[in-house]
Amino acid sequence: DAKTTQPTSMDCAEGRAANLPCNHSTISGNEYVYWYRQIHSQGPQYIIHGLKNNETNEMASLIITEDRKSSTLILPHATLRDTAVYYCIVRVESFTGTASKLTFGTGTRLQVTL
Amino acid sequence: ETGVTQSPTHLIKTRGQQVTLRCSSQSGHNTVSWYQQALGQGPQFIFQYYREEENGRGNFPPRFSGLQFPNYSSELNVNALELDDSALYLCASSRPPSEDYEQYFGPGTRLTVT
Repeated sequence: DAKTTQPTSMDCAEGRAANLPCNHSTISGNEYVYWYRQIHSQGPQYIIHGLKNNETNEMASLIITEDRKSSTLILPHATLRDTAVYYCIVRVESFTGTASKLTFGTGTRLQVTL
Repeated sequence: ETGVTQSPTHLIKTRGQQVTLRCSSQSGHNTVSWYQQALGQGPQFIFQYYREEENGRGNFPPRFSGLQFPNYSSELNVNALELDDSALYLCASSRPPSEDYEQYFGPGTRLTVT
């Protein structure tokens, strides 16, 4: 799996957009960008994933650069409940004959404040 | 919350002892993965079970073993506990690896080895 680089921590005011960057310069053509988050004392939670087109769901938007070497997760209106560690993960979408493991880094700790 | 449950919530063991952790997967999921999360780190993949067989393993010694049952629930067994085994143990259930794009995590079991 390709390696990802994320800032250690970020702050965001409640109600503002939170933009979390991720670098994945060694990503392969068949690898997707996944985002998970982990709220304190809970298991990680899937947020969104994409290959090369921008993606949006009810939780967030994912913007992937044209060269696919970096991406940004956007929480459009951050709330206090979005305070968590956010993990950017690169992996193929499906696995045949091998484990569909997730390779976590240390993530970005997002603190949403009043 | 996901439909993945884990037991016990917390556990304290002594070095050299053995421990068994349990995980019930979400309805409709036949794949279970186990992760170890040390304090301040991202989760690390231990192994995955699919159709009651080990389907891939991370960089963990043989004293970490597991089982999956016909109802897709799973156990993680750790023998000869070491102080460094103190961590949050997470299980995640998912569809078959060839269809897996999202893993659903349980709340974890906090293991302390003294």
